[in-house]
Amino acid sequence: TQLLEQSPQFLSIQEGENLTVYCNSSSVFSSLQWYRQEPGEGPVLLVTVVTGGEVKKLKRLTFQFGDARKDSSLHITAAQPGDTGLYLCAGAAGNNRKLIWGLGTSLGVNP
Amino acid sequence: NAGVTQTPKFQVLKTGQSMTLQCAQDMNHNSMYWYRQDPGMGLRLIYYSASEGTTDKGEVPNGYNVSRLNKREFSLRLESAAPSQTSVYFCASSEAWGSLDQPQHFGDGTRLSIL
Repeated sequence: TQLLEQSPQFLSIQEGENLTVYCNSSSVFSSLQWYRQEPGEGPVLLVTVVTGGEVKKLKRLTFQFGDARKDSSLHITAAQPGDTGLYLCAGAAGNNRKLIWGLGTSLGVNP
Repeated sequence: NAGVTQTPKFQVLKTGQSMTLQCAQDMNHNSMYWYRQDPGMGLRLIYYSASEGTTDKGEVPNGYNVSRLNKREFSLRLESAAPSQTSVYFCASSEAWGSLDQPQHFGDGTRLSIL
């Protein structure tokens, strides 16, 4: 069974702090997606990484795909209250490219 | 831009009752999905439809049935609701099944309580 482990599970920080959340697996993924989910809404795609070692930036968010395509990280610089939400990673694996979902990191940014 | 629309947004049922959750997308996507989201369990795939006319079981299909009515609509039916089916249900769609970087677009969910 392929698993994606996300850490930490919960994170509460002050506005302006930096943070990194992780998405790890023992399996290789063809691609990996990061989503953010706000309370009462469905997940919304932030980014997709495809190539091992790839780094993508989305304003204050930096996403990295591990060289071996087994892990990924999300770094947020100078967090803001608007960054509050559940961050989910999902990896595409297997011949049918089925998505494997992590359990998420719940981030709270206090003003 | 509606995207993925789910109805109803909230529902309370008694054990043994049946109901259908509706989902429609206006993005001309080929693939559609039904998930449930529970605390500590994450998003779990119930059923999916890779293309119009096909449906397949996901990770947790027991107690559910689906219908891909047309390219736009994908419904989820609970024939005899059980308390274990209390959850938040999400419908999603994507351009195609199995594309390397395809994003899934989600609705806002149906919050279902079974008493």
